[in-house]
Amino acid sequence: QSVLTQPPSVSAAPGQRVTISCSGSGSNIGKNYVSWYQQFPGTAPKLLIYDNNKRPSGIPDRFSGSNSGTSATLGITGLQTGDEADYYCGTWDSSLSARVFGGGTKVTVL
Amino acid sequence: EVQLMESGGGLVQPGGSLRLSCSASGFTFSSYEMNWVRQAPGKGLEWVACISSSGTSIYYADSVKGRFTISKDNAKNSLFLQMNSLRADDTAVYFCARRGSGFGRKDLDYWGQGALLTVSS
Repeated sequence: QSVLTQPPSVSAAPGQRVTISCSGSGSNIGKNYVSWYQQFPGTAPKLLIYDNNKRPSGIPDRFSGSNSGTSATLGITGLQTGDEADYYCGTWDSSLSARVFGGGTKVTVL
Repeated sequence: EVQLMESGGGLVQPGGSLRLSCSASGFTFSSYEMNWVRQAPGKGLEWVACISSSGTSIYYADSVKGRFTISKDNAKNSLFLQMNSLRADDTAVYFCARRGSGFGRKDLDYWGQGALLTVSS
């Protein structure tokens, strides 16, 4: 059971928009920045979003992050077949003194 | 270019020990907090441990506390994970990852390719 809760899967047609939610608590998302990671099968995770809504160099602006209280959201617009991957949210939990991740969300492009 | 490369994975019997290494290059290793994150087959990401830039502050996940030891050698740009009393549920790909630099950052901005540990008799 993950400390952060994500939906197991989301799907949409090419060109559409999907959002992935990440629900936590006051000791993690409510207190620390959230980051998002993209992972293709058999490869290492890649940082997509940091500090709730910032994109590292090279990440297209189709990917966006937002945060509200104890929840965070990753948005992907203009969905492409190449976006099919697993997506994880993560942050630090100040009460647990531990880094925590969501269980991951599989994005499927219909 | 930032590079992280894990080594030392393999097959170990239950109760055995193994030491993973992560060689870093392309950045000032001594200035960064480093982490180990694992992923069991078909499962999600699980954080294992982290160590501050100087090595003075260390945290572990409850699942490995007392069995695993994280360390770093800043002179050799290397991160280590000593794993003892291994169990079948420690079977996973182990990634080393660097924490992003900047006040308040909690993200892991660079990851290695991973090293597979299999615990089985």
